[in-house]
Amino acid sequence: NAGVMQNPRHLVRRRGQEARLRCSPMKGHSHVYWYRQLPEEGLKFMVYLQKENIIDESGMPKERFSAEFPKEGPSILRIQQVVRGDSAAYFCASSPANSYGEQYFGPGTRLTVT
Amino acid sequence: QQQVKQSPQSLIVQKGGISIINCAYENTAFDYFPWYQQFPGKGPALLIAIRPDVSEKKEGRFTISFNKSAKQFSLHIMDSQPGDSATYFCAAQRVNSGGYQKVTFGTGTKLQVIP
Repeated sequence: NAGVMQNPRHLVRRRGQEARLRCSPMKGHSHVYWYRQLPEEGLKFMVYLQKENIIDESGMPKERFSAEFPKEGPSILRIQQVVRGDSAAYFCASSPANSYGEQYFGPGTRLTVT
Repeated sequence: QQQVKQSPQSLIVQKGGISIINCAYENTAFDYFPWYQQFPGKGPALLIAIRPDVSEKKEGRFTISFNKSAKQFSLHIMDSQPGDSATYFCAAQRVNSGGYQKVTFGTGTKLQVIP
């Protein structure tokens, strides 16, 4: 059973470009969470999705950021017109429906904005 | 009310010693308290977790102590080894009104175990 997959692992974008981060949850998991981790800081919740639905996006910046989890394919976190402050590690986690606690994390995508 | 405060920020322990990391929370609605271990360049991985109806949980060298009245919990690593050198995050979860587990993480403790 493969774990949570994220790609790319490293992404470099110039200011103003778009960044697309992909997350494939563990097999059988229908819940996906995105977190952002700034250097030397903890993980900040961004968004929680189920298939085709955004359940909670209270941690997402109001502008430039969007997320989706289509019926087929990976979850996508999209950052438009990136700025230097978007440089961070972005982690995706997944869990099965009706689970109590554990979230399984992917290896992360490290975004660098130059 | 959603904060989880973690200390210390960094910790150096000699091999064989005990590492202790502390966390405190405010929201009494939290009902699951996991600890995650993160190695450089990797994603966090669940290490051990506890529910508030027990005061202690032990798995191998790792023990969580939970004080519900004080709203505090701590991770103890016995016989610390260099391979334990990592960043440790405490977390608190509660079932959101939407029916899912929303996780609030502490700020992390960077542990270095020296030979």
